[in-house]
Amino acid sequence: RKEVEQDPGPFNVPEGATVAFNCTYSNSASQSFFWYRQDCRKEPKLLMSVYSSGNEDGRFTAQLNRASQYISLLIRDSKLSDSATYLCVVNTIPAGRRALTFGSGTRLQVQP
Amino acid sequence: GAGVSQTPSNKVTEKGKYVELRCDPISGHTALYWYRQSLGQGPEFLIYFQGTGAADDSGLPNDRFFAVRPEGSVSTLKIQRTERGDSAVYLCASSLSAGANVLTFGAGSRLTVL
Repeated sequence: RKEVEQDPGPFNVPEGATVAFNCTYSNSASQSFFWYRQDCRKEPKLLMSVYSSGNEDGRFTAQLNRASQYISLLIRDSKLSDSATYLCVVNTIPAGRRALTFGSGTRLQVQP
Repeated sequence: GAGVSQTPSNKVTEKGKYVELRCDPISGHTALYWYRQSLGQGPEFLIYFQGTGAADDSGLPNDRFFAVRPEGSVSTLKIQRTERGDSAVYLCASSLSAGANVLTFGAGSRLTVL
């Protein structure tokens, strides 16, 4: 079983739609959680961190459920520019010993 | 520099050849990471450095892969006797310290082994 699992998609949605991505992680000792965004043939970039209480950044809302080992990302009012691959990222080992573990990504295509 | 710089951006080589990929991290970032990304997959961890030393090299797939960071800044990933399965984008990232969870990635080096 992979450490971080995501539905690869693609999710094809019209502009203005609300879309949600889910991610599960296997190690209950995981401590830090993130969503990164990767445009086609570009490098990954941090979109937002995910906090236990849930957090929002404009149209983006991230939530964490430690009991179910589940992370979600909600995008409201989708824009064409949101089209990208969204990578779920987990730091499993205590900070300072190991780098981040990435999921395979969920591809989003927002259509006009 | 302003960002993480990787060279070459593209490298085509023949099976069995030796390849070096270079990464110049953000100035002042002490932690440097190498990842490998194949088509349709997320970045796969290879190795990370804290300063000059390899703090964790558990992701290197075999002994054909080696990385150095002799002065705690620029790093070189070295691949010996390349195989077709080594074809991927090799991503370098840096962070202020090993405890920082935010990585800034370079644009990557796309390696194609014929």
